Amino acid sequence: DAGVIQSPRHEVTEMGQEVTLRCKPISGHDYLFWYRQTMMRGLELLIYFNNNVPIDDSGMPEDRFSAKMPNASFSTLKIQPSEPRDSAVYFCASSLGGTLRTGELFFGEGSRLTVL
Amino acid sequence: QKEVEQNSGPLSVPEGAIASLNCTYSDRGSQSFFWYRQYSGKSPELIMFIYSNGDKEDGRFTAQLNKASQYVSLLIRDSQPSDSATYLCAVAPSGGGADGLTFGKGTHLIIQP
Repeated sequence: DAGVIQSPRHEVTEMGQEVTLRCKPISGHDYLFWYRQTMMRGLELLIYFNNNVPIDDSGMPEDRFSAKMPNASFSTLKIQPSEPRDSAVYFCASSLGGTLRTGELFFGEGSRLTVL
Repeated sequence: QKEVEQNSGPLSVPEGAIASLNCTYSDRGSQSFFWYRQYSGKSPELIMFIYSNGDKEDGRFTAQLNKASQYVSLLIRDSQPSDSATYLCAVAPSGGGADGLTFGKGTHLIIQP
């Protein structure tokens, strides 16, 4: 079975440009998480969905960030306009039944974003 | 702000020795605790989870939990060079539900051949 698929793997863009990151979760998983990882702040939860519905977006840093999950097999994270401080690796992860008991998050390979 | 603290390292351990990784957390109500391993340039993967006080063993790995001290640890016995990675401690928040995990920044472990 395919794992979590993210695209693009690498993105280099200039400040002010719009960035869209994409994620396809594992088929049958009902939770989808977007995390951001930097050296300074580690792995931070941005937003998560349950059955395509956003549950908690308190980790989204500001209004420049938005996320959608139009169906069970696709999610996007959009940054508009992008800034150099948004440079990070963005991970999408999915799970079956949430993380409370087993903590089994299946991560994609990540999208490395560089904003110049 | 719920926090998970880890020593960033690097922690250098000779091959065959025991590696001890530690983690403290601020949310006293947390019930579930996890250790993830992340190789350089790769994504995190789950190693173990624990939610009862005491020890839990899985092969060469032992997770230890002390809720009174808000302390979690991971022991790796007979360390191998392939264990060299960053180890992330993660905590599920209290209050029930299925919220996302809060991760520590990780401890970079180096196993010296």
